[in-house]
Amino acid sequence: AQSVTQLGSHVSVSEGALVLLRCNYSSSVPPYLFWYVQYPNQGLQLLLKYTSAATLVKGINGFEAEFKKSETSFHLTKPSAHMSDAAEYFCAVSVNDYKLSFGAGTTVTVRA
Amino acid sequence: DGGITQSPKYLFRKEGQNVTLSCEQNLNHDAMYWYRQDPGQGLRLIYYSQIVNDFQKGDIAEGYSVSREKKESFPLTVTSAQKNPTAFYLCASRPGTGKSGGYTFGSGTRLTVV
Repeated sequence: AQSVTQLGSHVSVSEGALVLLRCNYSSSVPPYLFWYVQYPNQGLQLLLKYTSAATLVKGINGFEAEFKKSETSFHLTKPSAHMSDAAEYFCAVSVNDYKLSFGAGTTVTVRA
Repeated sequence: DGGITQSPKYLFRKEGQNVTLSCEQNLNHDAMYWYRQDPGQGLRLIYYSQIVNDFQKGDIAEGYSVSREKKESFPLTVTSAQKNPTAFYLCASRPGTGKSGGYTFGSGTRLTVV
């Protein structure tokens, strides 16, 4: 069965510092992977997705993620954190044509 | 613009009442989903529907019911049998034509029992 594990339920970074959110997946077939962001009291918004075209995927708001098959990872990064990046982030893997499986989420706090 | 509309944004329920949360999409997506979100617990799947007039239970379906009479609409009823309904409810849709399609989410309904 396909699943994802997000390492760290909470990450705190200084404004301007690197943001690194970790996601590891398990899948018996080549996976399709996604990162979503959720701001308080809002729905989830797609940041980026990996669909096997390129291992380095660029998304919105300056985020990118790298698919590493050897490490079964799909970590999300942003070189310089902004206060507006404070949110909850979810990694997800496509289970089949109809369902995604979500990680437990990582809350990002940005310190001024 | 295409998207998913959830209403109401806030909903208050008295003990023993049934309430219905609305979810409408104009994306022409086949599949629709209902998730429940509680602090620290991520997203838990309640029900999902792949096509009109068909739906399946998710991981926490007890105390909930759904219908899918139209492609655009997937309402969720929280029944009195749901003992702890206070949560944030999210509706989502997906094209349903391949594993590369992600979900599009609505903005959510916050349900509170009073």
